[in-house]
Amino acid sequence: QKEVEQDPGPLSVPEGAIVSLNCTYSNSAFQYFMWYRQYSRKGPELLMYTYSSGNKEDGRFTAQVDKSSKYISLFIRDSQPSDSATYLCASRSGNTPLVFGKGTRLSVIA
Amino acid sequence: DSGVTQTPKHLITATGQRVTLRCSPRSGDLSVYWYQQSLDQGLQFLIQYYNGEERAKGNILERFSAQQFPDLHSELNLSSLELGDSALYFCASSVGRGWTDTQYFGPGTRLTVL
Repeated sequence: QKEVEQDPGPLSVPEGAIVSLNCTYSNSAFQYFMWYRQYSRKGPELLMYTYSSGNKEDGRFTAQVDKSSKYISLFIRDSQPSDSATYLCASRSGNTPLVFGKGTRLSVIA
Repeated sequence: DSGVTQTPKHLITATGQRVTLRCSPRSGDLSVYWYQQSLDQGLQFLIQYYNGEERAKGNILERFSAQQFPDLHSELNLSSLELGDSALYFCASSVGRGWTDTQYFGPGTRLTVL
């Protein structure tokens, strides 16, 4: 079992929809949680970063961590075609390397 | 544009061969990280260098090696290539040595082993 599991999708939604992207993790020591966005033929870019449990909001994006259930979520409100990309969740504990999920491919249809 | 450059963009080679991938970090960044991305394994950390010294090692095969030069650019050497080595290889850089720093990824090198 991978330490971070993510449904690969693809996920297709109409423009303006609320998107929910999810990951689960198995390592209880994970404290830092990140979401990366990767456009086709590009490298990943950091989108959201949270520490421990709770919510963090940045514009149309909300990251949520529930450590009790080891569940990580990213919500995108008012989704746009420009949000079409692969979204990677990542976690780590302390000063250790990042562990990535395999990514969920999202298509937002105009 | 992240400021991290990688060359070449594409590489096609045969099994058993050796290739070198090159990465130039963002100006001012001292750490370089190498990752491999494949469909079945996802994005996996290979190795980190900080200011010329190996800092952390991940799932890097013995056939693979890397180094960081005094001008801070880095090279990833892949030898005795196998079909399964076909993947995207990303380099990332950050300011410091720790994993708390934001990593900026380059555009990647797509390696195809035939």
